[in-house]
Amino acid sequence: DTGVSQNPRHKITKRGQNVTFRCDPISEHNRLYWYRQTLGQGPEFLTYFQNEAQLEKSRLLSDRFSAERPKGSFSTLEIQRTEQGDSAMYLCASSASTEQFFGPGTRLTVL
Amino acid sequence: QKEVEQDPGPLSVPEGAIVSLNCTYSNSAFQYFMWYRQYSRKGPELLMYTYSSGNKEDGRFTAQVDKSSKYISLFIRDSQPSDSATYLCAMVDTGRRALTFGSGTRLQVQP
Repeated sequence: DTGVSQNPRHKITKRGQNVTFRCDPISEHNRLYWYRQTLGQGPEFLTYFQNEAQLEKSRLLSDRFSAERPKGSFSTLEIQRTEQGDSAMYLCASSASTEQFFGPGTRLTVL
Repeated sequence: QKEVEQDPGPLSVPEGAIVSLNCTYSNSAFQYFMWYRQYSRKGPELLMYTYSSGNKEDGRFTAQVDKSSKYISLFIRDSQPSDSATYLCAMVDTGRRALTFGSGTRLQVQP
């Protein structure tokens, strides 16, 4: 059973560096989502793809953040010029309908 | 005011107790309701998904939705120490795909 996978699981970086995360959704799911979760809070929506089209972006997704899903399969989330406030768990989810299934997340620490 | 309110807990109960977890919401456009379980430093795991008002049962879990009161509940019967986790409610409105989460309730089941 292959669920949603995310890599890396942990990333420590210095402020000002760029980082990129990868998400591989469940294979038959055409919808893919990125969320961010900070300690003691629920996940907050960042962006959503249907196949390769990015259909919705949250106000949380500043211009330092970019996401792609070039062939409608895996997706990448890049953060440029990281800030300490970017430290969080970045979660990817996929769905074929309304129910969304989450990956294990990538924990980012910005020093 | 947040769109979804959830008591953060922690909620501590003895093994075998019935647990009641609740969320209230303000957006009447929310139509789909989910409960996720999240263990420490892991991704959220989908437990229950409901659409209409009423009850839905799955094993030891019962999800209840009251759209007139904008109130949802998750009941856990015969709670086990392995149920110790953070429980997140999540909702989707008809015009979007993104989930809106509560902040989560931390549950501790004492053996």
